[in-house]
Amino acid sequence: EAGVVQSPRYKIIEKKQPVAFWCNPISGHNTLYWYLQNLGQGPELLIRYENEEAVDDSQLPKDRFSAERLKGVDSTLKIQPAELGDSAVYLCASSLQGGQGLDNEQFFGPGTRLTVL
Amino acid sequence: GNSVTQMEGPVTLSEEAFLTINCTYTATGYPSLFWYVQYPGEGLQLLLKATKADDKGSNKGFEATYRKETTSFHLEKGSVQVSDSAVYFCALLHTSYGKLTFGQGTILTVHP
Repeated sequence: EAGVVQSPRYKIIEKKQPVAFWCNPISGHNTLYWYLQNLGQGPELLIRYENEEAVDDSQLPKDRFSAERLKGVDSTLKIQPAELGDSAVYLCASSLQGGQGLDNEQFFGPGTRLTVL
Repeated sequence: GNSVTQMEGPVTLSEEAFLTINCTYTATGYPSLFWYVQYPGEGLQLLLKATKADDKGSNKGFEATYRKETTSFHLEKGSVQVSDSAVYFCALLHTSYGKLTFGQGTILTVHP
């Protein structure tokens, strides 16, 4: 069974340019997460989807970041415009369901490493 | 709010040495606790977990016990291998949502 797929794996852009990341979760997983991982730190949740609904986006900087999960499967995270401080690894994860249930194990993709010059 | 604190690294050991990586947490309610591992160039993988006090999670020779009285979840392994070299993250799961709160990570390097 394929794991969480993310693309691209690496992206280098100049500041003020837009950028988008794509995530395909494990088949059948209803819950999808986007995390931000700065160098030398643990991941921090940006947004969580239950099917196509964003149920927790409190940590998403909405002035420049946006996300969508059409049809409750694939998801796209966008930054427009990018700033130097956005250089980080963007991780996508999925789980069968959210919360404290037995099926809440989160499976992570390899991440997209973004460098903003 | 919820938080996780890990011992600072990096940790450098010789093969077959004993490993301990300390992890303490602050949380409301009764969180589940996890250790994730990130090998070079790969995504985070769940190493082990414990869902209630006094539970012991174990996998691949690693162990951690959920200690509510000391709010700790220290990772241990009796004999490390070169292949254990990776970054290890302690994390807790929020009681109401699926939000994982991670520690800052500990880099482990094992030399032959």
